[in-house]
Amino acid sequence: GEDVEQSLFLSVREGDSSVINCTYTDSSSTYLYWYKQEPGAGLQLLTYIFSNMDMKQDQRLTVLLNKKDKHLSLRIADTQTGDSAIYFCAEDTGRRALTFGSGTRLQVQP
Amino acid sequence: DSGVTQTPKHLITATGQRVTLRCSPRSGDLSVYWYQQSLDQGLQFLIQYYNGEERAKGNILERFSAQQFPDLHSELNLSSLELGDSALYFCASSVVRGGDTQYFGPGTRLTVL
Repeated sequence: GEDVEQSLFLSVREGDSSVINCTYTDSSSTYLYWYKQEPGAGLQLLTYIFSNMDMKQDQRLTVLLNKKDKHLSLRIADTQTGDSAIYFCAEDTGRRALTFGSGTRLQVQP
Repeated sequence: DSGVTQTPKHLITATGQRVTLRCSPRSGDLSVYWYQQSLDQGLQFLIQYYNGEERAKGNILERFSAQQFPDLHSELNLSSLELGDSALYFCASSVVRGGDTQYFGPGTRLTVL
């Protein structure tokens, strides 16, 4: 079945790196996504990775995918207070819509 | 701005009532998805339409229904509302019907009193 898990909370200091982790169970996932949700706002697509890739870098964001362990991570370099938000990972198996994790609340301390 | 629009932004209504939420997808996108975000259930997929036809159903209650019109906008109808239906309802769109990046609208916050 499909199940995506994330830790609930992460606190870092401004300027440090943040690493948000996610595990999924459906090995047929084709794409894996990271979305950001700020308070009272919608879901903003941050980045995604195709299942045949191990890593993707996009400016301050680095996505790592370990397909064997079904583990996905998002690293934010030089974390800023504006990065404070809830981060959702989601998987897309191509059969239906996205399955989301419960979200990780990132708190950035100045 | 994702290019997906949703109206209204906020909706406050009473139990037993019926409401309609509207979504306009990004220009060129044929697929529309509806999701519900609540504190206890998280983000859940409700239903998907592709070019006017229903393609996939998730955890959508029988009291809820949706449709996609020829101009590709979509409406989500919620009836016999209960307190537990209070949530954020998101619409997303993508070009094709699966395995494709979904862009989300800003959501409609529904409060049932």
